[in-house]
Amino acid sequence: DTEVTQTPKHLVMGMTNKKSLKCEQHMGHRAMYWYKQKAKKPPELMFVYSYEKLSINESVPSRFSPECPNSSLLNLHLHALQPEDSALYLCASSPYPGTADHTEAFFGQGTRLTVV
Amino acid sequence: SQQGEEDPQALSIQEGENATMNCSYKTSINNLQWYRQNSGRGLVHLILIRSNEREKHSGRLRVTLDTSKKSSSLLITASRAADTASYFCATDAITGGGNKLTFGTGTQLKVEL
Repeated sequence: DTEVTQTPKHLVMGMTNKKSLKCEQHMGHRAMYWYKQKAKKPPELMFVYSYEKLSINESVPSRFSPECPNSSLLNLHLHALQPEDSALYLCASSPYPGTADHTEAFFGQGTRLTVV
Repeated sequence: SQQGEEDPQALSIQEGENATMNCSYKTSINNLQWYRQNSGRGLVHLILIRSNEREKHSGRLRVTLDTSKKSSSLLITASRAADTASYFCATDAITGGGNKLTFGTGTQLKVEL
């Protein structure tokens, strides 16, 4: 199984809502990532988990809250978002974090989020 | 923050021609990777080149890396209409116990019949 599965595929939420994005992989990868991508722009790194611990936070606003319950799951909790947070949110995983043997990342298909 | 700048931003070629994309980056890297993205969905890994390698091939893909110039290039030979997509370079750097995979600005490739 070489898939990273993201749910939901599409999400529309109001600025006062609380929602969560989910990501799952069963490749035994110990690094998991959240990226945000606006139209016609490259993915921007938000968070990195290595061995279930948050290792990188790219100064993301606190209305985005990541969680890694176990080595296969990654969540992104959303609260009080703004319309400018509308974007494609991508999850990825990769093996051998923190080492020179680190290889490619496998990406999910993303969740297209619209904040109204 | 974006690590790499890519050029050209957009490239339009005829089927059968070769396509070359360039990537420049700013900091030390563990490896450099190239990804493809269709229609704003998930990214697909194409090829990885480590910092101690200079050239690598995979099928119709050829990637070069010049760490002294902090630059890389991706060549797609004998392009096909199905190669139409956005292509991104990504630098991998080890930091704070994790790997930071940072994407360049991307090249939109259009291959016409």
